[in-house]
Amino acid sequence: EAQVTQNPRYLITVTGKKLTVTCSQNMNHEYMSWYRQDPGLGLRQIYYSMNVEVTDKGDVPEGYKVSRKEKRNFPLILESPSPNQTSLYFCASRQGVEEKLFFGSGTQLSVL
Amino acid sequence: GENVEQHPSTLSVQEGDSAVIKCTYSDSASNYFPWYKQELGKRPQLIIDIRSNVGEKKDQRIAVTLNKTAKHFSLHITETQPEDSAVYFCAASSNPWPGGYNKLIFGAGTRLAVHP
Repeated sequence: EAQVTQNPRYLITVTGKKLTVTCSQNMNHEYMSWYRQDPGLGLRQIYYSMNVEVTDKGDVPEGYKVSRKEKRNFPLILESPSPNQTSLYFCASRQGVEEKLFFGSGTQLSVL
Repeated sequence: GENVEQHPSTLSVQEGDSAVIKCTYSDSASNYFPWYKQELGKRPQLIIDIRSNVGEKKDQRIAVTLNKTAKHFSLHITETQPEDSAVYFCAASSNPWPGGYNKLIFGAGTRLAVHP
């Protein structure tokens, strides 16, 4: 089954404790991206990757890091989480420029 | 920067009525306009999309119209059913730089409630 797998679904942490949210897709998609969803703000892009070892900032990259060492994996790293990073995070992938985005199941992060 | 405005933010209709959600975009070069539906606690999923060489597209009870001159596009749902209740996001493609990779700019979302 074609899917984007994202873990964990829920995460509660404290300020400053490094964390990683994993994302993996089995569709051989070149393009992967991370979004955060906040009430009234829609989906805002954090980082995206056009292929292995090619990443770039989205609209809200501050406080986040990503890596793309393999085509299927695109982890999101918060080196020193802060409460304003409390949000719902989605990983997504697609093949072409105007193709549909496949979203992961989401990660609800709370930073205390 | 480029942005997409979506209205209304909430919409309440009776079952069987029609629902219309409107979006405007700022990037005149945008040429791809998808709509995503997000049910409560679930991931967004594409329900319909339209490209700039087409003015209207239908898929059963769902239709999208595009007015490139005015830079707006709309989602129309006819004969609404309770299972249409969800948050709907519009989006528009945006090319940050010539030859760059198109990204999607999302609207803030519309929470649609269909009452039996």
